[in-house]
Amino acid sequence: EDKVVQSPLSLVVHEGDTVTLNCSYEVTNFRSLLWYKQEKKAPTFLFMLTSSGIEKKSGRLSSILDKKELFSILNITATQTGDSAIYLCAVLSGYALNFGKGTSLLVTP
Amino acid sequence: NAGVTQTPKFRVLKTGQSMTLLCAQDMNHEYMYWYRQDPGMGLRLIHYSVGEGTTAKGEVPDGYNVSRLKKQNFLLGLESAAPSQTSVYFCASSHTLAGQETQYFGPGTRLLVL
Repeated sequence: EDKVVQSPLSLVVHEGDTVTLNCSYEVTNFRSLLWYKQEKKAPTFLFMLTSSGIEKKSGRLSSILDKKELFSILNITATQTGDSAIYLCAVLSGYALNFGKGTSLLVTP
Repeated sequence: NAGVTQTPKFRVLKTGQSMTLLCAQDMNHEYMYWYRQDPGMGLRLIHYSVGEGTTAKGEVPDGYNVSRLKKQNFLLGLESAAPSQTSVYFCASSHTLAGQETQYFGPGTRLLVL
């Protein structure tokens, strides 16, 4: 059975802190791993990772995939209150995405 | 482009009632998906479609049916609603297989079954 496990499940930090969110997976036929940010409504796309060791960056967010150890991390530097959200990791195996339960991040002023 | 739209935004049903959720996309995407999201559970795939006229079961298909009669629409039906189907339902679409490119999500439908 395919599994995607995110940790921690929730996190509270102060503005300016750096956070690392984790996603480990066990799936058959891995194709890619995606990160989404979900605020009040629908998830919005952050990154798609298919190759090990290649960092993807967008502003203060970055992510990397390790296909040997079967995990990915999402880093957020200099956090802001607007980063407060649920961060979802999803892995494509077969035709559909398998989502983890998400990490709920709260950034306090 | 409206992207992915969902109708209705919110609905309250009594146990045993039926309803249909409509998802529409104007991006000419081949692939469409229905997910449900419950607190602390992430998103779970209900059904998906890889093209007009085709549908397939996802992780949690029981109690739901779907149809894709037109490429731009993907309907999710509940024949006899149960309180366990209280959830937020998200539709998504993608041009190619999700994960080879990102999925585009609709705004969600909040369903409460009493």
